Amino acid sequence: DAKTTQPTSMDCAEGRAANLPCNHSTISGNEYVYWYRQIHSQGPQYIIHGLKNNETNEMASLIITEDRKSSTLILPHATLRDTAVYYCIVRVGGGNKLVFGAGTILRVKS
Amino acid sequence: EAQVTQNPRYLITVTGKKLTVTCSQNMNHEYMSWYRQDPGLGLRQIYYSMNVEVTDKGDVPEGYKVSRKEKRNFPLILESPSPNQTSLYFCASSLTALRGTQYFGPGTRLLVL
Repeated sequence: DAKTTQPTSMDCAEGRAANLPCNHSTISGNEYVYWYRQIHSQGPQYIIHGLKNNETNEMASLIITEDRKSSTLILPHATLRDTAVYYCIVRVGGGNKLVFGAGTILRVKS
Repeated sequence: EAQVTQNPRYLITVTGKKLTVTCSQNMNHEYMSWYRQDPGLGLRQIYYSMNVEVTDKGDVPEGYKVSRKEKRNFPLILESPSPNQTSLYFCASSLTALRGTQYFGPGTRLLVL
């Protein structure tokens, strides 16, 4: 699975959009970009995933660059409950082992 | 409600006393997996199961056993726990190993004295 690089931490004001970047320059053509988050030692929670096209669901939007070497997770209106560690994972599609890096600590502040 | 459940959520035990952490999912998923999470080391896979009666080692299987006799259950067994197995444990499941997103249980925090 391709390696990902994420900032260690980010701050966001409550109600504003949170934009979390991820670099995955070695991604291959059949690898998906997955995003999970973990709120204070709870089980990781699936957010969204995509292959080439931008994706949106009720939780977030995923923007993948045309060359697929980077992506951005967007939480459109961050709330205090969105404070968590966000993990960007690149892997061949499916459910097998997920390799979690250090992730980005997102702090949403009022 | 679709979910992965784990029991117990918290456990304090002593070295050498066998214990089992249960994991159950109600989504008819074929694939199940156990991870442990330690500070600075992230989540690491212990064992996984592709389907009933099919299990295999992950990255850190030493000191652990698993079984998959039914589709919904995937217990993690520590035959002789040691202090280095003190950790936060997560069970996860997905439709298959190649399809579906992975859903995680709430976690079991284990302290081995």
